[in-house]
Amino acid sequence: EAGVTQFPSHSVIEKGQTVTLRCDPISGHDNLYWYRRVMGKEIKFLLHFVKESKQDESGMPNNRFLAERTGGTYSTLKVQPAELEDSGVYFCASSLFRDRGTPNTEAFFGQGTRLTVV
Amino acid sequence: AQTVTQSQPEMSVQEAETVTLSCTYDTSESDYYLFWYKQPPSRQMILVIRQEAYKQQNATENRFSVNFQKAAKSFSLKISDSQLGDAAMYFCAYRGNFGNEKLTFGTGTRLTIIP
Repeated sequence: EAGVTQFPSHSVIEKGQTVTLRCDPISGHDNLYWYRRVMGKEIKFLLHFVKESKQDESGMPNNRFLAERTGGTYSTLKVQPAELEDSGVYFCASSLFRDRGTPNTEAFFGQGTRLTVV
Repeated sequence: AQTVTQSQPEMSVQEAETVTLSCTYDTSESDYYLFWYKQPPSRQMILVIRQEAYKQQNATENRFSVNFQKAAKSFSLKISDSQLGDAAMYFCAYRGNFGNEKLTFGTGTRLTIIP
């Protein structure tokens, strides 16, 4: 079974340009998360989808970031226009939907996209 | 808001020896989950071990075990018989109970294994 896959693995763009990151979750996983790690700091939550709906987008830094998950399958995270401080590693994770009757479900992570804004 | 603190940016251990990575957290919730994730140089982050806060027994997964001290809000990871493949970044993470699904991570500890 394929794991969580992210594209591209690396991206180098100039300040002011647009970049779109893609995440393909594990098939059947309704939960999809985006996280970001800026160099040397903690991994920070960006947002959480349940299927195609944004459950929690409290971690999105500003309106230059737009996340979508059309059809509840893959997700994209677009940064427009990119700024220097957007550099970091962007992680995607997915998990099975958990309701009150189900036990803990594990989040599976992709390899991340390393974004460098110059 | 919950916070997770890893006070050891880097650690090293001789191969076959034991090492303990520290993690403390802060929360007002009584029911939650704690995790240790490992990110090897290939960058895929994988779950090493999990602990449910309502369980008093410390979780164990082969050579990996935790020391969970709920009152002290401490969650350390012990790696026994360290192997070269254990070299990685280790992240401690917190997740709340149902309805609060996001993970809160610490800053990570880079573990080096000395042959």
